[in-house]
Amino acid sequence: KAGVTQTPRYLIKTRGQQVTLSCSPISGHRSVSWYQQTPGQGLQFLFEYFSETQRNKGNFPGRFSGRQFSNSRSEMNVSTLELGDSALYLCASSRGLAGAQETQYFGPGTRLLVL
Amino acid sequence: SQKIEQNSEALNIQEGKTATLTCNYTNYSPAYLQWYRQDPGRGPVFLLLIRENEKEKRKERLKVTFDTTLKQSLFHITASQPADSATYLCALGQGAGRRALTFGSGTRLQVQP
Repeated sequence: KAGVTQTPRYLIKTRGQQVTLSCSPISGHRSVSWYQQTPGQGLQFLFEYFSETQRNKGNFPGRFSGRQFSNSRSEMNVSTLELGDSALYLCASSRGLAGAQETQYFGPGTRLLVL
Repeated sequence: SQKIEQNSEALNIQEGKTATLTCNYTNYSPAYLQWYRQDPGRGPVFLLLIRENEKEKRKERLKVTFDTTLKQSLFHITASQPADSATYLCALGQGAGRRALTFGSGTRLQVQP
């Protein structure tokens, strides 16, 4: 069974631009969660999608948004990029809602650098 | 405010010894706790889950304890090997319908040959 895939793996953008990251979950998994990981803040929860609906949301500004498609693939978008958005963005998939004691399977991440 | 604390300093131990990592939390009532391993440049990999009504869980050389009175989980790796060198993250879950996992900042383990 193929694991969670994320594209692109690396990205360089400049301040003010926007970016879209993609995540393909493990086949059969309906939940996709997104996390931001930085050396200073660690792994922080962005949002979770399940059956095309956002089910949970972390404490991030509205510049961070996401969506999920009918095939469970998910995208997240960051608009008006700031230097502080430089981070490793990880997505994780699970069969059911992540909060329901489901094991989450993480992708390799997309490393975003904002200049 | 809610806080999850893991030793920020790296833990260095000799091969063959038992590594013990700590996860402390405040202002949480977790329904369960998970431990993940993360290697540089990779996403975390799930290791173990322990529920609030369980005291201890084992899997091969790994053992996790969960003390809801002390608000602490201990993660043990027995007979450690250099291949166990990685960052270990604890994550708290508050149950269905709640926000997804909240992660600690992780502890880096270095096992010396």
